[in-house]
Amino acid sequence: EVQLVESGGGLVQPGASLKLSCVASGFTFSDYWMSWVRQTPGKTMEWIGDIKYDGSYTNYAPSLKNRFTISRDNAKSTLYLQMSNVRSEDTATYYCTREGTRGVFFDYWGQGVMVTVSS
Amino acid sequence: NIVLTQSPATLSVTPGESVSLSCRASQSISTSIHWYQQKSNESPRLLIKYASQSISGIPSRFSGSGSGTDFTLSINRVESEDFSIYYCQQSYSSLFTFGSGTKLEIK
Repeated sequence: EVQLVESGGGLVQPGASLKLSCVASGFTFSDYWMSWVRQTPGKTMEWIGDIKYDGSYTNYAPSLKNRFTISRDNAKSTLYLQMSNVRSEDTATYYCTREGTRGVFFDYWGQGVMVTVSS
Repeated sequence: NIVLTQSPATLSVTPGESVSLSCRASQSISTSIHWYQQKSNESPRLLIKYASQSISGIPSRFSGSGSGTDFTLSINRVESEDFSIYYCQQSYSSLFTFGSGTKLEIK
């Protein structure tokens, strides 16, 4: 059974940094591109970016490229999202997703982790 | 960015009715559209890929159609478990975008 389990969320002050993790199981992690997607409290869905199966290439939404970094550790079957200089508009539920076919659709989603940016 | 406009925002129906949800793209995207269902307090689930291709484990009452700019998700005889939010997502551009969703609620 495919499982994606995120962690690392919580309450963070504006301007701070935060790193989210996603542990994958039930499939060969190193065979798949992976993405992060977030959903605001108003239910708006936004794709953040993705990373190639071997970690050699990343692609980001232009609006987030300068503050967010995606990485992975295939030995640990873990995906990461490093968030820096966070803003109130980054308040959202963050989902780790598997790309069923690279750059097309998201066939598995984690349970999501909430990030709240507030002073 | 390719903008996806979903309509209606909310659809109120009685169980047993059949419904169609619309997703319109701001430019032609061939069949690069995918549909997701999100039940309350759950993660989204992939329903349909490439506009009309079925997904293993998804009930056959869900179907998709369309190409170019206009796409439709159809639910044949809505069941109680179908009351959720439905999103479309495009992959024509490498900047993936989602529609704003259609909430299917019980009348």
